[in-house]
Amino acid sequence: SQTIHQWPATLVQPVGSPLSLECTVEGTSNPNLYWYRQAAGRGLQLLFYSVGIGQISSEVPQNLSASRPQDRQFILSSKKLLLSDSGFYLCAWSVRGVSSYNEQFFGPGTRLTVL
Amino acid sequence: DAKTTQPNSMESNEEEPVHLPCNHSTISGTDYIHWYRQLPSQGPEYVIHGLTSNVNNRMASLAIAEDRKSSTLILHRATLRDAAVYYCILRDVQYNFNKFYFGSGTKLNVKP
Repeated sequence: SQTIHQWPATLVQPVGSPLSLECTVEGTSNPNLYWYRQAAGRGLQLLFYSVGIGQISSEVPQNLSASRPQDRQFILSSKKLLLSDSGFYLCAWSVRGVSSYNEQFFGPGTRLTVL
Repeated sequence: DAKTTQPNSMESNEEEPVHLPCNHSTISGTDYIHWYRQLPSQGPEYVIHGLTSNVNNRMASLAIAEDRKSSTLILHRATLRDAAVYYCILRDVQYNFNKFYFGSGTKLNVKP
């Protein structure tokens, strides 16, 4: 069966510090991968998506970046965190390909607080 | 970007049916309607999806208007475990990839 891991679960970082969040998927190959952010009391905002190794698309301008060094590994980074980067970060995957189904499976999330 | 409109919150009594509405007046002919729900401090989970016809699964039913400009998620007997934020999403299909735009959703409160 497929599983998706995210770490760390919680993180408190000072403004201006770097960030690295990691997401890995097991039990599937060639997945589409996604990073979302959810601010307190808000809906999810799609940040990045990837259809393959080294292929990253950004949805919104920001000081975050994403990388996909391996097929089932997705990393979210920042060189200098802002207060507005606080939120609940979720990684998700879906089967690659066009179909009527294409469910997205979400990880447990990382709660980031920038002070 | 969400392209859907939902009420901010709804309330239901346990064991009663719940109808969660969603408006998507700009839906295109190839947009699928997906519903996800998010329990507190968890990632969203899939509930149901459809294109034109009404759909049923073990979790819920999806009723789609004939003009497809609105849909309703139906929970037949709400339980306390159904208290969550429910998102109605139009799936934007691009090549072999599907992007989801989540709005603010509807927060469902279930009273015992």
